[in-house]
Amino acid sequence: AQTVTQSQPEMSVQEAETVTLSCTYDTSENNYYLFWYKQPPSRQMILVIRQEAYKQQNATENRFSVNFQKAAKSFSLKISDSQLGDTAMYFCEQETSGSRLTFGEGTQLTVNP
Amino acid sequence: NAGVTQTPKFQVLKTGQSMTLQCAQDMNHNSMYWYRQDPGMGLRLIYYSASEGTTDKGEVPNGYNVSRLNKREFSLRLESAAPSQTSVYFCASSDGDRGGRFFGPGTRLTVL
Repeated sequence: AQTVTQSQPEMSVQEAETVTLSCTYDTSENNYYLFWYKQPPSRQMILVIRQEAYKQQNATENRFSVNFQKAAKSFSLKISDSQLGDTAMYFCEQETSGSRLTFGEGTQLTVNP
Repeated sequence: NAGVTQTPKFQVLKTGQSMTLQCAQDMNHNSMYWYRQDPGMGLRLIYYSASEGTTDKGEVPNGYNVSRLNKREFSLRLESAAPSQTSVYFCASSDGDRGGRFFGPGTRLTVL
């Protein structure tokens, strides 16, 4: 069975600082995909960033980047220059073959002014 | 380009009633999904459809049925609602190349 664990239920950061959200996963497959989603108070789920397991290079999207460590099965999200609009629930997701999709339980991030 | 739309936004049912949640996407995506989100549990996959004409069970399919009416539309039906089905339901779509999912705004369903 696949599992995705987000060990930090809540985190907070000061505006303009950097924060890292952790995610670990467990799969026996070698080819899979990992995603981070953001869910602000509006409840809309928004794709933030994706990582393909066979790619060594860490994905980056503007202020968002990941630290993907395949051997450790770790997929953390780094948010640089945090903004008030980054306040949201963040979910990590794993996708393996046959559209097997597993979400973590989420981390509530609060950016303080 | 509306993305993924869901109706209704809110619904209250009595135990035993039936209803259908509607979902449509205008991004020409092949794959569509239904999730439920409960407090402290993240999102769990109910059913998905990898392409028009196919549907498959996800993690929590019991009590639900789905129909992939055409490439755009994917509906979720509760035949006999139960209080345990009180949740927020999200529909999503993707182009199937592992690009991640685009989500609708969600439907908040309460079963009394």
